[in-house]
Formats: sequence, C-alpha cells, structure tokens
Amino acid sequence: EAGVVQSPRYKIIEKKQPVAFWCNPISGHNTLYWYRQNLGQGPELLIRYENEEAVDDSQLPKDRFSAERLKGVDSTLKIQPAELGDSAVYLCASSLETANSPLHFGNGTRLTVT
Amino acid sequence: QQQVKQSPQSLIVQKGGISIINCAYENTAFDYFPWYQQFPGKGPALLIAIRPDVSEKKEGRFTISFNKSAKQFSLHIMDSQPGDSATYFCAATRDTGRRALTFGSGTRLQVQP
Repeated sequence: EAGVVQSPRYKIIEKKQPVAFWCNPISGHNTLYWYRQNLGQGPELLIRYENEEAVDDSQLPKDRFSAERLKGVDSTLKIQPAELGDSAVYLCASSLETANSPLHFGNGTRLTVT
Repeated sequence: QQQVKQSPQSLIVQKGGISIINCAYENTAFDYFPWYQQFPGKGPALLIAIRPDVSEKKEGRFTISFNKSAKQFSLHIMDSQPGDSATYFCAATRDTGRRALTFGSGTRLQVQP
C-alpha cells in the first residue's frame, strides 16, 4: 500500500511569509494527524481529524496556524505569518479509527524560517 | 507539561550488545504504549507496542517491559545491530489508542560494528 505522502519535502521562507504543507493519507484511513517535531525532540500534536472534523486542535496556535481536511481525505496545514520559532519538521500521520491502530507517518516537511 | 519522560538522550552500544531505553509516564489514564523508530529524513514507524494488562511483550529482538505500579516501561533491543542505529521514541495514549499519541523526547541509538 502507498504510504502517507507529504509535500514539499523542504521549504525555506523568510519570516512573516505564509507557507502551506500538504498531506495525502493512506487510503481508507479516516483519522489524520499533524505533528510538529523540533530538532532533537519528539513529535508534538498540532491537530487531529476524524474524517473532516477536527476533534483535537487544542495545541494548534490558532492565531497563525490553520488546517483543513476537505472531503475527509487530503489535508493542508498553513502558517501565516511564519515566525523564526516555527522552523521544524511538520509530520502528517494517518490511522484507522480502531482501537490501538498504529499511526503511519509521512516523511515530513522540513521548514526553515529565516 | 512533559507527560512522558525518556532516557537516556543518547546511547552507544557495541554490535551484539543489549540496548535499553527507559520511559516514565505521569497520566494514569494512559492505556497504550508504543515505541517508534525513526531514521534520519524519515517519519517515525511503529516498532512494538504494549497494553498495561501485560508486563512484557516480545517481538523478535525487541522486548517491552512494563511496570504499571511504577508507571515505567522500557525497550530492550537484544543482539543490537548497526542497522538498529536510529532514534527511538516511546509514546503513550489513552482510550485504547483513540487519542493522539504523546511522545517522549527520543533516544539516539548508535550501534558500533
């Protein structure tokens, strides 16, 4: 089966510019996650979707971050405006909505804000 | 609030040796404890997982030991190989995994040939 696909792989932008990341989950996975991974740290949840509904966005900095999952498949995460501290790897993951279903991660988008 | 604490931060083991990584959690509602392996430039991938109703789970060279009373769990890699060199993350979640994972800070393992 095809894995979780993320694009772009790398993005370099200047601070205050907008940026968007795209994620295509594994077919049939109705749960989708966006995590942020700072250098040398574990992933931290930004938002979790069940189908097209955001069921956990408590850790999403809503003043500058937004996300959408239209039609319950692909998802986009946006930052506007970006800050230096947003430099990190943004990981998308998907899973089935069953007990203890493993998360399947994409390879991430490495964002550098200069 | 760091709900899952992981140690050591880095680990160097000789080929054939045993690698041991430890994690401690705070939230007693956690009921699912997976370990993920991450290679450079890749996303984390599930390695092995355990539920608190068992004290140990073994899959090949990888074993999780779980101590519910101490709120601790550990990953043991037997006969460590250079190909095991990666970063390992423990994680925890509740509601039988229907909530998002909370990850530890990671352990960078280097297995020397």
